[in-house]
Amino acid sequence: DADVTQTPRNRITKTGKRIMLECSQTKGHDRMYWYRQDPGLGLRLIYYSFDVKDINKGEISDGYSVSRQAQAKFSLSLESAIPNQTALYFCATSSTGGGGTQYFGPGTRLTVL
Amino acid sequence: QKEVEQNSGPLSVPEGAIASLNCTYSDRGSQSFFWYRQYSGKSPELIMSIYSNGDKEDGRFTAQLNKASQYVSLLIRDSQPSDSATYLCAVNLKFSGGYNKLIFGAGTRLAVHP
Repeated sequence: DADVTQTPRNRITKTGKRIMLECSQTKGHDRMYWYRQDPGLGLRLIYYSFDVKDINKGEISDGYSVSRQAQAKFSLSLESAIPNQTALYFCATSSTGGGGTQYFGPGTRLTVL
Repeated sequence: QKEVEQNSGPLSVPEGAIASLNCTYSDRGSQSFFWYRQYSGKSPELIMSIYSNGDKEDGRFTAQLNKASQYVSLLIRDSQPSDSATYLCAVNLKFSGGYNKLIFGAGTRLAVHP
């Protein structure tokens, strides 16, 4: 079984719709992250959470919100999707004292029409 | 200046050759460094981590770190077509309060041809 799972894996939606991407992990890690990846731009951090009560904005948080429902669950919401949010979204996890190593989920390909 | 810089490539090498991938970073306080491999449309997969100056070998992969020059590299010996992927360099930056974040380079695309 995968240690970090993401749902859905693919999603096509329309401009203005609310979308939620979900991430779950069985690694027992306390830290979780959301990234987006666009061609040629690499991975950019949207939000990160170092424990259930800790939520921090990353470099591109505008237009996104997150919820850490439990240590193992971290969801990303697009309140009103727009076409330039079309991208590949990855969830990642790490542990405090783990040297910074992050482990990635399989990704969600989101298309906003 | 970008915090982590990589040549985007593509780097084209023949099968069996050594592929050399390079990365420079701007923050002298960085303590840990990572190389991830990413196949097209897939998630990044950790292949090497390095924390101290010098070389670290794991199978066909060798990571090299030079903190004085702010430079980290990845060598892939006996390159195989299955090594064709994008390689992401990542640097762990520490902030006050014990926080840290990984900063990723944009990646170097490697193409190994038969």
